[in-house]
Order: sequence, then structure tokens, then C-alpha cells
Amino acid sequence: KAGVTQTPRYLIKTRGQQVTLSCSPISGHRSVSWYQQTPGQGLQFLFEYFSETQRNKGNFPGRFSGRQFSNSRSEMNVSTLELGDSALYLCASSILQGVRYEQYFGPGTRLTVT
Amino acid sequence: AQSVTQLGSHVSVSEGALVLLRCNYSSSVPPYLFWYVQYPNQGLQLLLKYTSAATLVKGINGFEAEFKKSETSFHLTKPSAHMSDAAEYFCAVSGSGANSKLTFGKGITLSVRP
Repeated sequence: KAGVTQTPRYLIKTRGQQVTLSCSPISGHRSVSWYQQTPGQGLQFLFEYFSETQRNKGNFPGRFSGRQFSNSRSEMNVSTLELGDSALYLCASSILQGVRYEQYFGPGTRLTVT
Repeated sequence: AQSVTQLGSHVSVSEGALVLLRCNYSSSVPPYLFWYVQYPNQGLQLLLKYTSAATLVKGINGFEAEFKKSETSFHLTKPSAHMSDAAEYFCAVSGSGANSKLTFGKGITLSVRP
């Protein structure tokens, strides 16, 4: 099976702009989660979508939003970019194994805000 | 709330030496614990997971971890380090069912000296 794919891999944006990142999960996986990774804050959970509905949400401002399509592909959007949004954004697709979800990560999108 | 603590940010070992990366967890319910590895400019790869079926868990690339409830620990070990093990390692905990978000430790960078 193909793994989780994320596009684009690298992105440079200017402060105040908005950006959309895309994630295609592993075939058959219905849950997609997004994480932000920065040197200062480490790995932080943004949100999770399951069957086109947001199921869990982390502590990020409303500038961060996402959605999931009927084919399980997901996008996340960041509006009014700030310098502090520069990070590696990781997408993970999940499948239920018993009572626990196992998450498989994509390669990430490296966002640089200048 | 669930959390994991990884003490120290950097571990350096000689090639062929024992690798020991520490992780302690805090959870009010039976935890689901994971170790992930991240190579430069890549996403996270699942090394191993605690399933509650066995306290000693074997993973990929010769790594294993032992769950000790009395010590609230889930330390990662490998008997003999290889140069290719140099990477960043993350311990993570998740809930069960719909509460599947991963909470990560700060990560530990492993260096392997020739």
C-alpha cells in the first residue's frame, strides 16, 4: 500500500498570506490527524478528522482550520500567517486496531513564513 | 490528562554500545504508548507500540521497550547501536477509541560515534 502523501513538501509564504496543505491518507484509513512540529514547542496536535467530521481539536487559534473530503483526503488551512507558524506540518492517517488507533505519518510539509 | 516525559535532549553512544532512551508517562487510564523515530527531513516512523498483551515489546530495527507500571516507564533499548540509528526519537501516549490524539515527549536526539 502506498503511504501517507503530503503536498507540497516545501512552501515559502509571506506574513499575512494564507496557505493550504494537502494530505492523502493510506487507502482504507478514515481518520486523518494534523500535527505541528517546531524546535521550541515540539510536536503538537492540531486536529483530527474522521469521516469528514472534526473529531478532536488541539489548542490552536482559529486561523488554523481543516477539512476532510469523502475520499478521506484532508486539507489544512492557515490564514493570516505569522512568523511563528513556520514549522513542519505532519499529517497522520489512522486505522483502528482493537480499541486503539495506530497512526502512520507522512513526510511533512515544511512551511517557512518570511 | 496524559503526558510523557523524556529526560535529556541528547544521547551519544559508541557504535556497538547499548542504547537506552528513557520515557516516563502519566495517565489516569491504561496508557497506549508508542515510540517513533524521525530521520532528518522525514516524517515519523513507528518503532513499536505497547499493546498491553506483553510488557516487553519488540519493534523494528532491533529496538525493544519494556512497560513497567510500577515505575510508569516505557524505556527504549537496543543492545548494539549502529550508525544508522542516529536520529530523533519520540515517546508518545494516546487514549483509546475516539480519543486517539498522540501526546509526544520533547524527543531525544541519538548520536552514534564510530
